Amino acid sequence: NAGVMQNPRHLVRRRGQEARLRCSPMKGHSHVYWYRQLPEEGLKFMVYLQKENIIDESGMPKERFSAEFPKEGPSILRIQQVVRGDSAAYFCASSPPGQEGLHEQYFGPGTRLTVT
Amino acid sequence: GNSVTQMEGPVTLSEEAFLTINCTYTATGYPSLFWYVQYPGEGLQLLLKATKADDKGSNKGFEATYRKETTSFHLEKGSVQVSDSAVYFCALSVQTGANNLFFGTGTRLTVIP
Repeated sequence: NAGVMQNPRHLVRRRGQEARLRCSPMKGHSHVYWYRQLPEEGLKFMVYLQKENIIDESGMPKERFSAEFPKEGPSILRIQQVVRGDSAAYFCASSPPGQEGLHEQYFGPGTRLTVT
Repeated sequence: GNSVTQMEGPVTLSEEAFLTINCTYTATGYPSLFWYVQYPGEGLQLLLKATKADDKGSNKGFEATYRKETTSFHLEKGSVQVSDSAVYFCALSVQTGANNLFFGTGTRLTVIP
């Protein structure tokens, strides 16, 4: 069973461009979480999605950031008009249905976004 | 609110030394507590967890005990190996409907032969 897949692993964008980060959860997992890790900081929760639904987006910046988890295909974290402050490592995690009480999440290797 | 305070690193130890990484927390509800490990170039892996007070999580020689009275979940290992070199994250989640994890800043451990 393959783990959580994220691509690309490294992404370089110029200021003002769009960044699209992809996450394929583990097989059988229907819950996806996105976290951001700024340099020298811990991981910060951004958004929690189930198939076709955003459940909790309390950690998402109000502008320029969006996330989706369609019925088919990977989850996408989209950052429009990137700025240098968006440079960070973005981690995706997944969990199977019915695991909400245990909160055990399986993490991908992350996408390191650099904005020049 | 919910937060995790973790011992700052980096930590450098000789092989077979004793390891302690301190972790304390604040939580609005009754938290579950976790230690995750991140090896170079990889994602975070769950190392161990504890879901109620006085529980001891253990895995691969690592242990941590959920201490409600001191709001702590310190990670320990009696004899570290070079292969334990990694970044260790303490985390919590609150079982009141929220599904996200709250992480500490991470502690980088380097074990030298």
